[in-house]
Order: sequence, then C-alpha cells, then structure tokens
Amino acid sequence: KNQVEQSPQSLIILEGKNCTLQCNYTVSPFSNLRWYKQDTGRGPVSLTIMTFSENTKSNGRYTATLDADTKQSSLHITASQLSDSASYICVVSGGTSYGKLTFGQGTILTVHP
Amino acid sequence: NAGVTQTPKFQVLKTGQSMTLQCAQDMNHNSMYWYRQDPGMGLRLIYYSASEGTTDKGEVPNGYNVSRLNKREFSLRLESAAPSQTSVYFCASRRTANTEAFFGQGTRLTVV
Repeated sequence: KNQVEQSPQSLIILEGKNCTLQCNYTVSPFSNLRWYKQDTGRGPVSLTIMTFSENTKSNGRYTATLDADTKQSSLHITASQLSDSASYICVVSGGTSYGKLTFGQGTILTVHP
Repeated sequence: NAGVTQTPKFQVLKTGQSMTLQCAQDMNHNSMYWYRQDPGMGLRLIYYSASEGTTDKGEVPNGYNVSRLNKREFSLRLESAAPSQTSVYFCASRRTANTEAFFGQGTRLTVV
C-alpha cells in the first residue's frame, strides 16, 4: 500500500532555532516528492520538489533532502521565524497516468517568540 | 493572479440537503482534482479530471459527483449530505500529471 508517514506530528521551537522534519514513503512507482506549507485556513503551497536523481535542494531558509534508496526525505528550516508556523506536508507523486499524489498527514510546526 | 478559486469558503448544511462546490482555475491547466482534508489524515482524493471531458473516481468518491464544465471549471456536488461529509474540501489543478499542484483556499463544510 502506498503510504507517506511524517514525523514528528507536531513540533514547538523558539524563534531563531533550526528544525528538521522527516518523511518516509513507500510509494511506487516514484516520480517526485514535494514539500508543501499549509498556513491555517489556507490551501497548501509548494516549497520544494525533489526528483529521483536529486539529493538536496534549497529554497531560502528551507533545505530538502532525498534518499531514494531508503525512501526518506527531510525538510530543514534554518533560523525559524514566527511566519514559519504552519503545517508542512510531504507529498509523493507516483508514475501513474494521472500522477497520483499521496499525502502525509503533516507536521504542525509552532514557532514561539 | 487568482490561481485556483473555490466558492463558498464556508457552508453549513442539514443532513439530506444538497449543494455544489465550485472551483475555477485561470492557469490553463489540464488536470483538476477534488480532495477532502480531515484532522490527523492526509488529503484524500475524491474525484479528478485528467483533462477536459473526462472524470474519474479517486479514493473516497461515495456520496459525491463531479462535473468538468469546461477547461477552467470543476464542480463537486453532494446530493444528500451526511455528517460524515463534514470536512475541508480543496480543489487543485496541475498543468499535467506529475507537475506542481496548485490548491484553492478550501471550503469548510459542516453537516449537522
């Protein structure tokens, strides 16, 4: 069964600190993996995309990694800001004809001043 | 840039009532999707339309119907709402399969 598991479920950190969110997947076939940020009351917005051949990709203070052998990804947030408080969702796209998306349940990050 | 627009944003229905959730995208995307998001669970696919003129069932289609009205618009209909359909509904669109999905702001539906 195709699954995406994220950890931790929730995380509280102080402003300015770093954190790392984890994602394990069993989706096959694999096309790509994206990390989305979902602010409260809003739809998810893509942060990064990782394809099979990519190991690391950065987008400002966000750095995503992918280990396709172990089927693990991480999202590292550097120097957190209050605006980083959100749910972060790992989404794996499969190689079906319609590009089936399998969503993790999300990690709720709260940044305190 | 509007992107994906959903209406309404909030709705309360009584059990047995019907309603249609509207979705429109202005990015000329071929594929459109309807998801529901429930607490502690990942988004689940209700129906999708890979291209104009086609629709297919997703993981949780029971109790729903869809219409791909044209390339821009994809509506979701609840014929007889049930409390189990209380959820947040998201419409999404993609240019093609495996490209980035763009989401609307969501519709928070409560069925009492």
